[in-house]
Amino acid sequence: DAKTTQPNSMESNEEEPVHLPCNHSTISGTDYIHWYRQLPSQGPEYVIHGLTSNVNNRMASLAIAEDRKSSTLILHRATLRDAAVYYCILLSSYSGAGSYQLTFGKGTKLSVIP
Amino acid sequence: KAGVTQTPRYLIKTRGQQVTLSCSPISGHRSVSWYQQTPGQGLQFLFEYFSETQRNKGNFPGRFSGRQFSNSRSEMNVSTLELGDSALYLCASSRDREGKRNSPLHFGNGTRLTVT
Repeated sequence: DAKTTQPNSMESNEEEPVHLPCNHSTISGTDYIHWYRQLPSQGPEYVIHGLTSNVNNRMASLAIAEDRKSSTLILHRATLRDAAVYYCILLSSYSGAGSYQLTFGKGTKLSVIP
Repeated sequence: KAGVTQTPRYLIKTRGQQVTLSCSPISGHRSVSWYQQTPGQGLQFLFEYFSETQRNKGNFPGRFSGRQFSNSRSEMNVSTLELGDSALYLCASSRDREGKRNSPLHFGNGTRLTVT
């Protein structure tokens, strides 16, 4: 199983940038890096995903190391609504039987200080 | 476009009973996966269905089963409930194509199951 390692918790001041790290040293060449976040009493919400190049969308940016063994989710200006548990997971691009070894881990709990 | 819908939202059952949970994916999504979330174990993968076939399965006992219908709606069943089955059960859908997975997962808000 390809696994990820994230810090248990992080704090950020409101309107400051936040960099959430994720280590995935056993990533395979066909694994996409996905980020999700979960607010209390809700299901996880998709944030962003990428394979090799850095990615940007309206919610966040994803910076992927050149060796792909780590990545960083960047929230450009944290708001109180960004307080959530953030999960970094690996999803194989091959979807055949036996390929789905999805492990979420415990994620990083982000607290945003007003 | 409607999101992933899970019913019921809350459920209370007694040990030994069985339960069926339902998941309606986003229209056009053929892949449906199920997860169990508990405070101690976090989010754990149960199984994934694609076009009515179970494509992948996590490490759960045979008491946990599922199926997918021709309209992609899915159900999961837990038989002989145990206290430890109390959890939030989440389902997610994605628009993966046959043999290829590069689409985000879209989660429902889950069914909170309490076993007494």
